[in-house]
Amino acid sequence: AQSVAQPEDQVNVAEGNPLTVKCTYSVSGNPYLFWYVQYPNRGLQFLLKYITGDNLVKGSYGFEAEFNKSQTSFHLKKPSALVSDSALYFCAVRDNTGGFKTIFGAGTRLFVKA
Amino acid sequence: DAGVIQSPRHEVTEMGQEVTLRCKPISGHNSLFWYRQTMMRGLELLIYFNNNVPIDDSGMPEDRFSAKMPNASFSTLKIQPSEPRDSAVYFCASSQAPGQGLVEQFFGPGTRLTVL
Repeated sequence: AQSVAQPEDQVNVAEGNPLTVKCTYSVSGNPYLFWYVQYPNRGLQFLLKYITGDNLVKGSYGFEAEFNKSQTSFHLKKPSALVSDSALYFCAVRDNTGGFKTIFGAGTRLFVKA
Repeated sequence: DAGVIQSPRHEVTEMGQEVTLRCKPISGHNSLFWYRQTMMRGLELLIYFNNNVPIDDSGMPEDRFSAKMPNASFSTLKIQPSEPRDSAVYFCASSQAPGQGLVEQFFGPGTRLTVL
């Protein structure tokens, strides 16, 4: 069965510092991995995805994520955080066996302090 | 494209009333998903459709909930009768089939449901 874990409920970082939001996953076969962001009173917005290829994936708003197969992780990173990055971040996993079900993590709230 | 459209954006109703939430997916997308988000339970997948056919409804909490997709451009989620514990934000999302290389989901703005 597919599962995804976000071990941190909240991440606090100062503006200008690098940020990391952690995600680990479990899936049969090769995974499709995603990060989404949710701002207050909005729907989730797609940030980036890993399907195949390079382990480092670049996405919107300067975010990137590194796929690590041996550690079954897909951590979200940004070299320099902005106050406007403060939001709720979801990691998600889907298998590539033809199913359509995507499993979302519980979410990590990122707080960037000015 | 206008993105995924949901209506209404807010719904306040009394316990026992029927509630119908509506969704229009992005044109050309053939997978549609209904989610519920609460503080306590996070984001839960209720049901998803592929080519208008329900594929997995195991997340539907109980028989009071039903969902339909009569055509490729419209879906409804109905709660009858509604209960206060159904209060949540309900999201609709759509995506293309995996074979087309675009597998991320596009979410609507959500419907905030309050059952008094």
